[in-house]
Amino acid sequence: QITVKESGPTLVKPTQTLTVTCTFSGVSLSADGVGVGWIRQPPGKALEWLAYINWNYEQRYSSILGSRVTITRDNSKNQAVLTVTDMDPADTATYYCAHRQDASGSHYRFWFDSWGQGTLVTVSS
Amino acid sequence: EIVLTQSPGSLSLSPGERATLSCRASQSISNNIAWYQQKSGQAPRLLIYDASNRATGIPARFSGSGSGTDFTLTVSSLEPEDSAVYYCQHRYSWPLSFGGGTKVEIK
Repeated sequence: QITVKESGPTLVKPTQTLTVTCTFSGVSLSADGVGVGWIRQPPGKALEWLAYINWNYEQRYSSILGSRVTITRDNSKNQAVLTVTDMDPADTATYYCAHRQDASGSHYRFWFDSWGQGTLVTVSS
Repeated sequence: EIVLTQSPGSLSLSPGERATLSCRASQSISNNIAWYQQKSGQAPRLLIYDASNRATGIPARFSGSGSGTDFTLTVSSLEPEDSAVYYCQHRYSWPLSFGGGTKVEIK
């Protein structure tokens, strides 16, 4: 069973950099086919896909955050990290990470099948 | 970028009624759509993948259909615990995207 847990600050000031960490258990992020996605949800609004990194360190990004977002992976800690620079109040949201399996033959291939509980980040001075 | 438009924005139905939720893609995406259920205060949960396959543990009253640009999530007989917001998501190409969601309220 895969479990996912996000951690990070609950409050950041405008212009600061946000770093949210996602820790996985029950799966190795370095295993073939394993990917991690980041999705956010502003209060009362819809889900927004932000970024994705796979087992080969290939990264994909949404245009929502432009060049402000970076996704990385730390295999030694089995973690994925989302970094967003120059935070704005409009970036206030619950940030989720999710597991995706891209390997051939996987049951839910290419879909976000395990999600963390999310972490609410408020941007305010 | 592919835009997913969900309709209606919300619906209010009684237990036992049938719910029909729509997701329309701005271009053909074959069957590359999934549906997620998000209950209040919870993370989304994968409900349907590849347009019509139920995820493990999802009750048979949930079904998905469609291909190309038009997709439907149907709940054949609503239960009180089906009160949630339902989102569609495509994986046809990068960037990925979600629809705006449909809120289902059980009267």
